[in-house]
Formats: sequence, C-alpha cells, structure tokens
Amino acid sequence: AQTVTQSQPEMSVQEAETVTLSCTYDTSESDYYLFWYKQPPSRQMILVIRQEAYKQQNATENRFSVNFQKAAKSFSLKISDSQLGDAAMYFCAYRSDFGNEKLTFGTGTRLTIIP
Amino acid sequence: GAGVSQTPSNKVTEKGKYVELRCDPISGHTALYWYRQSLGQGPEFLIYFQGTGAADDSGLPNDRFFAVRPEGSVSTLKIQRTERGDSAVYLCASGLAGSSYNEQFFGPGTRLTVL
Repeated sequence: AQTVTQSQPEMSVQEAETVTLSCTYDTSESDYYLFWYKQPPSRQMILVIRQEAYKQQNATENRFSVNFQKAAKSFSLKISDSQLGDAAMYFCAYRSDFGNEKLTFGTGTRLTIIP
Repeated sequence: GAGVSQTPSNKVTEKGKYVELRCDPISGHTALYWYRQSLGQGPEFLIYFQGTGAADDSGLPNDRFFAVRPEGSVSTLKIQRTERGDSAVYLCASGLAGSSYNEQFFGPGTRLTVL
C-alpha cells in the first residue's frame, strides 16, 4: 500500500516571502499522480497543483511550483510571494495510475502567514 | 456551475443512533468518492462509485457503514449504531473517472459529532 508522509505539522512564513512544504511518499508503482490540496477553515479541499510521475518537468501554477524527485520519492511545494489568503492546511496526495481512483493523503501541514 | 454540495453541514447525534449523510455531486460527474477526516488527520478513503455501483469499498471501516448511489447522481452515506469514534468530517468528492488527471472536486463536508 502507498503511504504519504508530511513531516512538518506547522510552518509559518512572512508575507511576500517564499516557503517550501515537504512531502515524501512510498510506492512500488512507476506510474502515478501527485497532488497538493489546500484546505481553508471552510473545510473545502481545493486542488493547488498536480504532477504526473512520468513527466520530468516540474509543474508550475502561478506562485505555486513543485520539486518532484522521483528517485527520492519526494514532492515538495514551493509558494512564492506568500499572501494572507494562502493560510490554510496543505495536504499532499497520491493516486495510482492503475485504475484505483482513490487518493491517499498525508497528515497535512498548517501554513501560517505572518503579516 | 454549482459545486459539490453536502447536507447537513453539521450533524450531532447520540451514540447508537442511525445517521444519513447526503452528497450532491457536480452534474455529469460519473465518479463519486467518500472520505473521512478525523481531527488532525488527512482525509481517508471510504468508498468510490463509478455510476451506480461501488467500484471500491475497501475503505469502509466495518459493516455499520454503507453507501448508496441508486441513480448514479446523489449519494447517501449511512452509519448504523453510531459510536463516538465515528466523529469526524465526512467529505464527498466527484469527478470524471477515466480522464488523465481525474481531478476530484470536493464538497465542504459534513461534521459528524457522536455524543
């Protein structure tokens, strides 16, 4: 079974600065998808960014980018120019590419933005 | 268009009671997922529907939990003889299974409290 580990329960960053959230995972599969979700106090999970394992190029979405290291099974999220609205819980998630559609989540990192 | 909706938003019940949690997916989405998020944890997979049938129910913790999706749209998660350990946020997500990413769109969840 796949596992996802987020070793930083809490992180804080000064507004306008850059912060990196860590995620590692364990799998024996070669094809899969990785995701970062944001969960604000409203509880609604919002997809931030996604990465296919077969793509070597790191995904980027505006101020959000990932550092995907397949051999190391590492998938970190970098948030540039942090904004107050970025404050939330961030979850890393894994999905197999072999027909099993479920997401496996890490335990999350609570990100605080300091004004 | 409307996103995934879940009712009720909050549910308080007594130990031993029966509860039903409802999920209205995004119109046209064939896939529907239920997850359970305990305090301080990431969401954990419960069950996945493709159309009307449960394609994967491996996450249901025991036979007190049951879910249906009789017409391939709305789904109901049913919990019999509730226990205090069932207290959690129950999240529903929908998507178009089979697409390359199969992005899952989440609802705001139902917070269940068992007294």
